[in-house]
Amino acid sequence: DAMVIQNPRYQVTQFGKPVTLSCSQTLNHNVMYWYQQKSSQAPKLLFHYYDKDFNNEADTPDNFQSRRPNTSFCFLDIRSPGLGDAAMYLCATSRVFGGGYNEQFFGPGTRLTVL
Amino acid sequence: RKEVEQDPGPFNVPEGATVAFNCTYSNSASQSFFWYRQDCRKEPKLLMSVYSSGNEDGRFTAQLNRASQYISLLIRDSKLSDSATYLCVVNSQNTGNQFYFGTGTSLTVIP
Repeated sequence: DAMVIQNPRYQVTQFGKPVTLSCSQTLNHNVMYWYQQKSSQAPKLLFHYYDKDFNNEADTPDNFQSRRPNTSFCFLDIRSPGLGDAAMYLCATSRVFGGGYNEQFFGPGTRLTVL
Repeated sequence: RKEVEQDPGPFNVPEGATVAFNCTYSNSASQSFFWYRQDCRKEPKLLMSVYSSGNEDGRFTAQLNRASQYISLLIRDSKLSDSATYLCVVNSQNTGNQFYFGTGTSLTVIP
């Protein structure tokens, strides 16, 4: 089945130790998104790629970086995780066609713990 | 003003009840509207897209009122398995490829 896959599902890191989260998709969607979601809050968009075009949200900290080496893969790098970065990180995809958008498909998320 | 606003609840209803959630959006140029369901510690999953004419899927009915910039979700004959957070999501082409999320409405169906 076509899907969005995230690895790892659970990540524990130490304060300040870099971490990379990965996302892959078999849907061949041209847009990929990274969201941060904390408990009882809506997902917060960090950035997204429209094909190779990178779009950073104005309030996304510089500590967060992303790479999309090809259509299928997207990575989230957290250069120096702080305690406040502990959250669920969700990858999502969507397809832009004509003037419209399909819905977003989400991966299962990576739950990040910072010690 | 937030792009999308929802009543966070919580809504606690007995099995079999009918419950309605509402959502308003600020961008009149918004084009695509969705209801997602999110279970605790899981990812959001699409429940329904919302079409201009309104649409129904079994016990679930979604309505869109463009004039009032208002979206609703009606759940009839609530089941225990309906307990979740329901997210209202809006996409506006004139703001790029972003999807705007409401904070979610928490529903608990009680036996």
